[in-house]
Amino acid sequence: DVKVTQSSRYLVKRTGEKVFLECVQDMDHENMFWYRQDPGLGLRLIYFSYDVKMKEKGDIPEGYSVSREKKERFSLILESASTNQTSMYLCASSSGGLGKNIQYFGAGTRLSVL
Amino acid sequence: SQQGEEDPQALSIQEGENATMNCSYKTSINNLQWYRQNSGRGLVHLILIRSNEREKHSGRLRVTLDTSKKSSSLLITASRAADTASYFCATAPRDQGGSEKLVFGKGTKLTVNP
Repeated sequence: DVKVTQSSRYLVKRTGEKVFLECVQDMDHENMFWYRQDPGLGLRLIYFSYDVKMKEKGDIPEGYSVSREKKERFSLILESASTNQTSMYLCASSSGGLGKNIQYFGAGTRLSVL
Repeated sequence: SQQGEEDPQALSIQEGENATMNCSYKTSINNLQWYRQNSGRGLVHLILIRSNEREKHSGRLRVTLDTSKKSSSLLITASRAADTASYFCATAPRDQGGSEKLVFGKGTKLTVNP
């Protein structure tokens, strides 16, 4: 079974802090994704990576950056956390290609920025 | 950008009844997927239907796809309390080439009362 592991289930940070959210997958998937999920807004794509060191902006990249130095690990970075970044963050991975774009999700990180 | 829109937003039924959720989308797709999310957790893939398929079954799940109406439905038969969750449709837009990215709807929250 595919396993996607997010480093923290709950995180509380202060405004202005630099925050790292880590995600690791164990299935050698090419693609990895970071979403945020807010009530009434559904899942919104922040960033997408289709290979090591390759990334593409999603729908809401402002205030975020990402890093993919190794195939299995995809990090989301909040350079200077703000209260409007309080949210549930979901990481996902997929092997990619037509018929192979099923995404496997981690359990999520609920981030509170105070 | 949001493409899939689920309907209804919330659904409450009794155990043993069938639950039907609908999804509408706007652009041509390669495939459409349904995911489930238990409260506070990550999403879990349920079923994928390709654009050239009209119906697909998996256990108590039945998915239909009408590409002329740009709509899909998810039917859960003989529902159980354990089916209580949010259900999301996700589309792989045809104009995104390799279809790595999915566009998720806002979800239907299903409550199955014992």
